Amino acid sequence: EAQVTQNPRYLITVTGKKLTVTCSQNMNHEYMSWYRQDPGLGLRQIYYSMNVEVTDKGDVPEGYKVSRKEKRNFPLILESPSPNQTSLYFCASSFVRDRWGYTFGSGTRLTVV
Amino acid sequence: AQSVTQLGSHVSVSEGALVLLRCNYSSSVPPYLFWYVQYPNQGLQLLLKYTSAATLVKGINGFEAEFKKSETSFHLTKPSAHMSDAAEYFCAVSDPTSGTYKYIFGTGTRLKVLA
Repeated sequence: EAQVTQNPRYLITVTGKKLTVTCSQNMNHEYMSWYRQDPGLGLRQIYYSMNVEVTDKGDVPEGYKVSRKEKRNFPLILESPSPNQTSLYFCASSFVRDRWGYTFGSGTRLTVV
Repeated sequence: AQSVTQLGSHVSVSEGALVLLRCNYSSSVPPYLFWYVQYPNQGLQLLLKYTSAATLVKGINGFEAEFKKSETSFHLTKPSAHMSDAAEYFCAVSDPTSGTYKYIFGTGTRLKVLA
């Protein structure tokens, strides 16, 4: 089944403890992106990647890092999480030639205490 | 700069009634426009998209939307609501010339369907 898989689905952590949220897609998509969803704010883009080793900042990149060493994986790294990063996170991917057809993962609900 | 406004964060309709979810956009270039649906505890699923072809776009689950340039709108409609339509709906806009493929999402409209 074609899908974007995020792990974990739920995570509670403490301030300052480094964490990684994984994202993997099995559709050979070149383009991958991370969004955060907050009530009343919709979805905002954190980082995106056009292909392996090509990443760029979105609208709210502060406090996040990403890497794209393989085409299928696009992990989101929080080096020192803070409570304002408590949010629902989504990974999405698409073909560049059909870049208007995102496939979204099921989301990761992160709580930083 | 692009932006999207969804009027009404919550909309309630009776089962069988018309569904109308409003979306207005602002863009300096002809935009691409999208509607996504999010069911509880799930990711977003593409309902339909406008990419400068026909102005009336048909999507999945009986939904459709009409691009009206003069009104800068892209409202989502469905003639008859089903209980299974209860979800949150997001309108999004993108600049097809930007090269970044970034979406600007609206803040969402939660649809409630009353029995």
